[in-house]
Amino acid sequence: EPEVTQTPSHQVTQMGQEVILRCVPISNHLYFYWYRQILGQKVEFLVSFYNNEISEKSEIFDDQFSVERPDGSNFTLKIRSTKLEDSAMYFCASRPGLTGQYFGPGTRLTVT
Amino acid sequence: AQTVTQSQPEMSVQEAETVTLSCTYDTSESDYYLFWYKQPPSRQMILVIRQEAYKQQNATENRFSVNFQKAAKSFSLKISDSQLGDAAMYFCAYRSGREYGNKLVFGAGTILRVKS
Repeated sequence: EPEVTQTPSHQVTQMGQEVILRCVPISNHLYFYWYRQILGQKVEFLVSFYNNEISEKSEIFDDQFSVERPDGSNFTLKIRSTKLEDSAMYFCASRPGLTGQYFGPGTRLTVT
Repeated sequence: AQTVTQSQPEMSVQEAETVTLSCTYDTSESDYYLFWYKQPPSRQMILVIRQEAYKQQNATENRFSVNFQKAAKSFSLKISDSQLGDAAMYFCAYRSGREYGNKLVFGAGTILRVKS
């Protein structure tokens, strides 16, 4: 069964550094999302992406964040200058149409 | 803005018994979808069950079923014949029926413990 994949599974970075989190959504899906979950807290929406552009973003998704679909398969989230409070689990999700979103296994980002 | 409330931070159930997890939501939309996701210790988010608001019939997936009360804006998850592998955090989530975007709005989650 096809699934969403994410790399790396764990990323440790120093404050102020740039990180790129990578996702490969399920191939026939059209809508792509990034969420994050700070340890012990609820899952929060960051951004949605459809037809090669952002369709919605949250207040969290400020100028430090960007997303890209550089080719037909990858979907990336870039954080330009990481802060301590960016430490969280980052989930990529995708969906084909009017169904539930399928999540990747997540990337645990630790900012030191 | 839509909100999702899960009032039970933690629940326990004996193996083979039935447990119900509660969820309420607030929306002014008439077209929407509701979901339950399971998050085991691995932190993977697994879709358990989906309910379309326009459907009166409650969704069922094997041992998992929902009680969808649209007027009351309530969406509870019933797990029958609980198994040790059901132990996890369970999140209720809402999504607008608009075609584009459609972020998921999550509740705070309920930790389910299964006792052998």
